[in-house]
Amino acid sequence: AQKVTQAQTEISVVEKEDVTLDCVYETRDTTYYLFWYKQPPSGELVFLIRRNSFDEQNEISGRYSWNFQKSTSSFNFTITASQVVDSAVYFCALTETSGSRLTFGEGTQLTVNP
Amino acid sequence: ETGVTQTPRHLVMGMTNKKSLKCEQHLGHNAMYWYKQSAKKPLELMFVYNFKEQTENNSVPSRFSPECPNSSHLFLHLHTLQPEDSALYLCASSQVGVSETQYFGPGTRLLVL
Repeated sequence: AQKVTQAQTEISVVEKEDVTLDCVYETRDTTYYLFWYKQPPSGELVFLIRRNSFDEQNEISGRYSWNFQKSTSSFNFTITASQVVDSAVYFCALTETSGSRLTFGEGTQLTVNP
Repeated sequence: ETGVTQTPRHLVMGMTNKKSLKCEQHLGHNAMYWYKQSAKKPLELMFVYNFKEQTENNSVPSRFSPECPNSSHLFLHLHTLQPEDSALYLCASSQVGVSETQYFGPGTRLLVL
């Protein structure tokens, strides 16, 4: 069965610090997809990235970067030069092509203090 | 409007009330989902609709009754709820397929008194 673990329940940083959110997953499939979503206090889950299991290239989008390592079953998310507006709950999620649902981790509450 | 919209954004109801949550997607998708997000718990998938047909019911109590009249609209009818049903209810849509990205609405914060 698929499983996503976000061991960091809460992280607090000061503005301009870099921060990495960890995500470890379990799956028996060779083909799967990984996602990151951001949930600000307003409640809406905002899609950030989708990555398939055959694409291990790291990705950078502005201040955001993602490090996908199949060898350690991890898909970590780094925010560079964090800002107060980055404060939110961040969810990592996994879906298997043989499965029927998107499985979410429990989320990491990130607080960026001015 | 764009994306996925949900109404109402906030709802307070008594245990004997009947109310409905509405979700509308403007993304041309053909799959829609209801999720429940309780405090300190992971998101729980409740229902899945593909092309207006329900394809998944995750053992949801019958006091929650979904309705999908077309691929753009999804409702969740609520009746005789319990206080433990208080939560954020999120709607999402995607193209059909488990690998497709789901896009979420802003949610309805429900409080059952």
